[in-house]
Amino acid sequence: DAGVIQSPRHEVTEMGQEVTLRCKPISGHNSLFWYRQTMMRGLELLIYFNNNVPIDDSGMPEDRFSAKMPNASFSTLKIQPSEPRDSAVYFCASSYYSAVTNEKLFFGSGTQLSVL
Amino acid sequence: AQKITQTQPGMFVQEKEAVTLDCTYDTSDQSYGLFWYKQPSSGEMIFLIYQGSYDEQNATEGRYSLNFQKARKSANLVISASQLGDSAMYFCAMREVRRGNQFYFGTGTSLTVIP
Repeated sequence: DAGVIQSPRHEVTEMGQEVTLRCKPISGHNSLFWYRQTMMRGLELLIYFNNNVPIDDSGMPEDRFSAKMPNASFSTLKIQPSEPRDSAVYFCASSYYSAVTNEKLFFGSGTQLSVL
Repeated sequence: AQKITQTQPGMFVQEKEAVTLDCTYDTSDQSYGLFWYKQPSSGEMIFLIYQGSYDEQNATEGRYSLNFQKARKSANLVISASQLGDSAMYFCAMREVRRGNQFYFGTGTSLTVIP
């Protein structure tokens, strides 16, 4: 398996522009997570999906952030408009969710976002 | 209250020595899982070891072992025979099985192995 695939690996954009981050989870996984990592705040959960349905989006900073999972093999995280404080590494992770077993999270390589 | 607490922002260890990274957790569930991840300077998140709440024996994976003390709600990572390549950030995480698959991460411990 190719693992969790994120694109792009690096994104540099100007303040006010729309940014779209993409994620392909591991085939067969039914949970997908978006995390943001910064030096100041560490690793923050933004949103996660079970079976393509958003379960908890309380970590999404504000309305400028939106995430979708139109099918089991694809998710996007969109920032519109972007601001310099959005600069961070954004990780996508996937897992198989079961109410009776524990399964680890598999992380993608992350997207390094820089908003100038 | 924090679900996962890692109280050591930074740790140093001499090469070939053992080191313990602390992790305490907070849950009222009976069924949960505890995980450790390593993040080297290259940035990827690497799974190291897993302990289930019902597992009676401490988990081991090569040089990694998890010192699980359920009554104290601690899940410390022990790295034996430290190597220079162990220098990285280490994150403790917990999953509460019956709470919708939420994963909680600690703030991490930065480990530096000194030659």
